[in-house]
Amino acid sequence: QQQVKQSPQSLIVQKGGISIINCAYENTAFDYFPWYQQFPGKGPALLIAIRPDVSEKKEGRFTISFNKSAKQFSLHIMDSQPGDSATYFCAAIGGSRLTFGEGTQLTVNP
Amino acid sequence: DTAVSQTPKYLVTQMGNDKSIKCEQNLGHDTMYWYKQDSKKFLKIMFSYNNKELIINETVPNRFSPKSPDKAHLNLHINSLELGDSAVYFCASSQVPASGANVLTFGAGSRLTVL
Repeated sequence: QQQVKQSPQSLIVQKGGISIINCAYENTAFDYFPWYQQFPGKGPALLIAIRPDVSEKKEGRFTISFNKSAKQFSLHIMDSQPGDSATYFCAAIGGSRLTFGEGTQLTVNP
Repeated sequence: DTAVSQTPKYLVTQMGNDKSIKCEQNLGHDTMYWYKQDSKKFLKIMFSYNNKELIINETVPNRFSPKSPDKAHLNLHINSLELGDSAVYFCASSQVPASGANVLTFGAGSRLTVL
């Protein structure tokens, strides 16, 4: 059973555009929602994270929007750059473990 | 100064062989994990140790045996390797078992290819 569902599987955006990745979760016991960024040949690295009692968190060009009642959250990347091209994973923490979504391959064209 | 380091980075071996992957963290964390990333890049937890004690053991074949000699090290031994074991294996650590804002730090991964 996939507890965190992520879409789209892949996303192509032009430089300067907005990238939006969506996630939905089922387990209401999850208590923290991080996003990880993974470049080829590297491990996932923490990008930004949010608590479920907060509706939005912004760090630079990256913003998480969180809808607790709908059990959905999303990552917005403003002014997307070619260097943002990577795989993005939403995740949820609960039960002493980090559960990942399926990942989104983001390509930002110059 | 690598926070979570894994060796080897690449491992190519024949079916039926036994191999090990080693992991060390210098973050002073109490909890360590093994995750498996398949060819579709899906990341799934395999094991977790807290202060050398096994706390998470997912439905992983018993050919996989983790060992934590101390808090800073977590090794993964795989017996009788099968083609389906080909994947990238990530070690990770956190200060305490994942909860709240206590997120995981990942190593660079060990790519295992079984021929």
